Amino acid sequence: AQTVTQSQPEMSVQEAETVTLSCTYDTSESDYYLFWYKQPPSRQMILVIRQEAYKQQNATENRFSVNFQKAAKSFSLKISDSQLGDAAMYFCAYRTQGGSEKLVFGKGTKLTVNP
Amino acid sequence: EPEVTQTPSHQVTQMGQEVILRCVPISNHLYFYWYRQILGQKVEFLVSFYNNEISEKSEIFDDQFSVERPDGSNFTLKIRSTKLEDSAMYFCASSPRDTQPQHFGDGTRLSIL
Repeated sequence: AQTVTQSQPEMSVQEAETVTLSCTYDTSESDYYLFWYKQPPSRQMILVIRQEAYKQQNATENRFSVNFQKAAKSFSLKISDSQLGDAAMYFCAYRTQGGSEKLVFGKGTKLTVNP
Repeated sequence: EPEVTQTPSHQVTQMGQEVILRCVPISNHLYFYWYRQILGQKVEFLVSFYNNEISEKSEIFDDQFSVERPDGSNFTLKIRSTKLEDSAMYFCASSPRDTQPQHFGDGTRLSIL
């Protein structure tokens, strides 16, 4: 079974600085998707960024980018120019490609942005 | 932007009672999901639903649980004879296709007394 590990329960960053959130996963599959979801205090989980495992190029979405290391099974999220609105729980998630549609989540990292 | 909506936001129920959690997925989405998050633990998959039937369920999703799409807009999760350990945040999600990202609702916090 696939597992997702987020080793940082909490992180903090100064406004306008850069922070990197870690995620590792375990799978025997070669084709899959990886996601980062953000859950602000308002509770709705919002998709931040998505990476297909077959793509070597790291996904980027404005100030958010990932460092996808397939061999190391690592999928970190970098937030540049951090803003107060980035404060939230961040969940890393895995989904197989084809077959099962379920998302497998990590435990989450709580990000605090200090003014 | 269209959203997945869930009601109620918080449900308090006596142990042994039945509870129905409601979700309105995004209108053109075809795949529907329920997840739960026990306080301090990971978000866990419960069930996926497509074409009016369950496509996958986890071992958590036992006979106590059922899902239904009673009309063209709602997607419900019913828990019969609730237990204390059912206390959790329950998230509904939907996606337009199985290969597309899932969009989540705000969640329903279920408290069993």
